[in-house]
Amino acid sequence: RKEVEQDPGPFNVPEGATVAFNCTYSNSASQSFFWYRQDCRKEPKLLMSVYSSGNEDGRFTAQLNRASQYISLLIRDSKLSDSATYLCGGGSSNTGKLIFGQGTTLQVKP
Amino acid sequence: DTAVSQTPKYLVTQMGNDKSIKCEQNLGHDTMYWYKQDSKKFLKIMFSYNNKELIINETVPNRFSPKSPDKAHLNLHINSLELGDSAVYFCASSQEGAQETQYFGPGTRLLVL
Repeated sequence: RKEVEQDPGPFNVPEGATVAFNCTYSNSASQSFFWYRQDCRKEPKLLMSVYSSGNEDGRFTAQLNRASQYISLLIRDSKLSDSATYLCGGGSSNTGKLIFGQGTTLQVKP
Repeated sequence: DTAVSQTPKYLVTQMGNDKSIKCEQNLGHDTMYWYKQDSKKFLKIMFSYNNKELIINETVPNRFSPKSPDKAHLNLHINSLELGDSAVYFCASSQEGAQETQYFGPGTRLLVL
């Protein structure tokens, strides 16, 4: 089993739709969680850090469920510009590693 | 201002050659990383350095040798390149360890022929 798992998709949604991605992790020692966005042929860029209380930034909401060991990302009112690959990652100071999932590809259609 | 920069951006070379990729960060971070992203888009940690000291060596073939002359630079030298080394290599940095946000360079696209 991979340490961080995501459904690779692709998720094809119309503009304006709400879409949710889940990510599961197996290392209970992971302390910090992140959602990164990666555009085609570009580097990953931080979208959101994920806090245990959940956090929201505009149309984006991230949640962490430690008991079930999953992280979610909700995107409301999808825009064409949201089309990208979304990587979730779990970091641990014990291992010194940030482990990424395979990424979930989102394609927002007009 | 470029936070994490890498050179070269593209690298096309023959099997068996030796090549280097350079990385510099101007964020004042203590920790730097090399990642490899293959054709299936998996982003995998290769190495991590903290203040010029090797912290992680993730079972990478010893043809890959990182070097950190100072905490702002982390270079990657690859000997005897193989076809399977073709990938995108990303450098990243964070203030301290992996529990903190990492900032990525633009990537180096390596193609071994």
